[in-house]
Amino acid sequence: SAVISQKPSRDICQRGTSLTIQCQVDSQVTMMFWYRQQPGQSLTLIATANQGSEATYESGFVIDKFPISRPNLTFSTLTVSNMSPEDSSIYLCSVDPGAYTFGSGTRLTVV
Amino acid sequence: GEDVEQSLFLSVREGDSSVINCTYTDSSSTYLYWYKQEPGAGLQLLTYIFSNMDMKQDQRLTVLLNKKDKHLSLRIADTQTGDSAIYFCAENPGGYNKLIFGAGTRLAVHP
Repeated sequence: SAVISQKPSRDICQRGTSLTIQCQVDSQVTMMFWYRQQPGQSLTLIATANQGSEATYESGFVIDKFPISRPNLTFSTLTVSNMSPEDSSIYLCSVDPGAYTFGSGTRLTVV
Repeated sequence: GEDVEQSLFLSVREGDSSVINCTYTDSSSTYLYWYKQEPGAGLQLLTYIFSNMDMKQDQRLTVLLNKKDKHLSLRIADTQTGDSAIYFCAENPGGYNKLIFGAGTRLAVHP
């Protein structure tokens, strides 16, 4: 299965700032997904990123808050914009094909 | 609708078998997944089962699927302290490129 690297692994950010999370895959994949895991909660899909097209956002998530780039078949970024403490979560990327393999996640704390 | 339910907590003695149960609602799911999350870590794909299968075995792991009742279980034989983690089941509703996760079952293994 695909090997996924995420950066940064963790960060502490000031409210009002933005953080860009990178997801790198060791093979070309069609679809990349971004999930959020709030403290003590399960995972919720933020958006699906396909190369060469706009990301598709799930209900409750908008592009202005979570802009996504997908410049090629092995890389994607998720930006968390204008952060507030409610954005403190683990953000994970996932890929398909690859049996929905997940990266190790980015643990974000907003203070 | 899409909904995945799991019991939240399971405690077992080291060496015993653990059985984690999951129910899902979308009968069009083509695959069902089990993930493991250790403290502070991302999600590790443990195993998955295609919807036309009843059982899948992989070393100490056995997955049982009752499609009629929409019930999925994960059995861990000879449970070890290293198996202590949160286990998530997830469905992949047909026609949707996303996973729907349960709330996770926290498995505690004691001597």
